[in-house]
Amino acid sequence: KAGVTQTPRYLIKTRGQQVTLSCSPISGHRSVSWYQQTPGQGLQFLFEYFSETQRNKGNFPGRFSGRQFSNSRSEMNVSTLELGDSALYLCASSLVADASYEQYFGPGTRLTVT
Amino acid sequence: SQQGEEDPQALSIQEGENATMNCSYKTSINNLQWYRQNSGRGLVHLILIRSNEREKHSGRLRVTLDTSKKSSSLLITASRAADTASYFCATLDTGRRALTFGSGTRLQVQP
Repeated sequence: KAGVTQTPRYLIKTRGQQVTLSCSPISGHRSVSWYQQTPGQGLQFLFEYFSETQRNKGNFPGRFSGRQFSNSRSEMNVSTLELGDSALYLCASSLVADASYEQYFGPGTRLTVT
Repeated sequence: SQQGEEDPQALSIQEGENATMNCSYKTSINNLQWYRQNSGRGLVHLILIRSNEREKHSGRLRVTLDTSKKSSSLLITASRAADTASYFCATLDTGRRALTFGSGTRLQVQP
């Protein structure tokens, strides 16, 4: 079975621009969660989608949004980029909509905002 | 905010030695998970221990859980250079129903 894939792997954007990241979960997995990882704040939960519905949302400003498609692929969008948005963005998929179950992570998208 | 705190923050050992990492958390949990992250890559699930379990083994990994102290430890026996990575514990934030990760332990295994 193919693992979780994320595209692009690396991205450089300028402050004020917007960006869209993509995540394809493991086949059959319907839950996709997104995390931001920075050296200062560590791993922080952004949001979770299950069957095209956002189930949970972390403590991030409205500039961060996401969606999930009928094939369970998910995208997250960050508008009006700030320097502090530079981070590794990880998505994770699981069979069920319960974070207490094992999460399967993708390799991440490294976003650099200049 | 992070629920778990790992200790130590960094650990350097020689190949063949054992490595022990500790995790403390703040609230009641259903289970606790350990993940490994190689530099700048995604996380890999290592082991899950339920709140009614005290110890669990998987290969060279041994995890203990003490719910009265709200702490867990991960022991890697006979370490290898390939074990060099960051290790995170994760618990379920029941409010957000999302995983909350600790700050991680950076393990360096010298060949």
